[in-house]
Amino acid sequence: AQSVTQLDSQVPVFEEAPVELRCNYSSSVSVYLFWYVQYPNQGLQLLLKYLSGSTLVKGINGFEAEFNKSQTSFHLRKPSVHISDTAEYFCAVSSNTGKLIFGQGTTLQVKP
Amino acid sequence: GAVVSQHPSWVICKSGTSVKIECRSLDFQATTMFWYRQFPKQSLMLMATSNEGSKATYEQGVEKDKFLINHASLTLSTLTVTSAHPEDSSFYICSAQTTSVPYEQYFGPGTRLTVT
Repeated sequence: AQSVTQLDSQVPVFEEAPVELRCNYSSSVSVYLFWYVQYPNQGLQLLLKYLSGSTLVKGINGFEAEFNKSQTSFHLRKPSVHISDTAEYFCAVSSNTGKLIFGQGTTLQVKP
Repeated sequence: GAVVSQHPSWVICKSGTSVKIECRSLDFQATTMFWYRQFPKQSLMLMATSNEGSKATYEQGVEKDKFLINHASLTLSTLTVTSAHPEDSSFYICSAQTTSVPYEQYFGPGTRLTVT
């Protein structure tokens, strides 16, 4: 069975500071990894994905993530956050079936 | 590309009535769509997998007679909440899956259901 753990439920950070949102997964098969962002009362928007190849993945809005197979992690990073990055972030894993397993979510609160 | 729409975006209904939510993939065909439910401050909970032309597959604990899913075409899936009760109030989100491996899901904007 697959599972995803987002280690921080809330991450407060000041504007223009760097941020890392942590995600660990468990799976007995090869996985695909995703980060989604959700703004209030909206659906999910894909930030980035790891399917294969380079372990450093760059996404939209200046976010990037690194797939670390040995540590079964896929942490999301941004070198300098903006107020507009305040949102809920979800890490997810899928396998060849396509079904997504989501983490519990991390609330990123960017303070001025 | 890869746009998924949901209709309505919000709906209020009275207890005991039924509500239908539509999920459409606007620019690609999707043989598989998913329906999720999300409670406030919580993650998405997969309710069911909708397959075009066949019966939906429901997750454990989801009442299939209460949450009717129909996937009649390659671009449309519907979720009908039958005999709705206040505890069915939630945010319902659908996604449409691409047809080739590695599969990817594109999400609709969600539907806020309030049952009074």
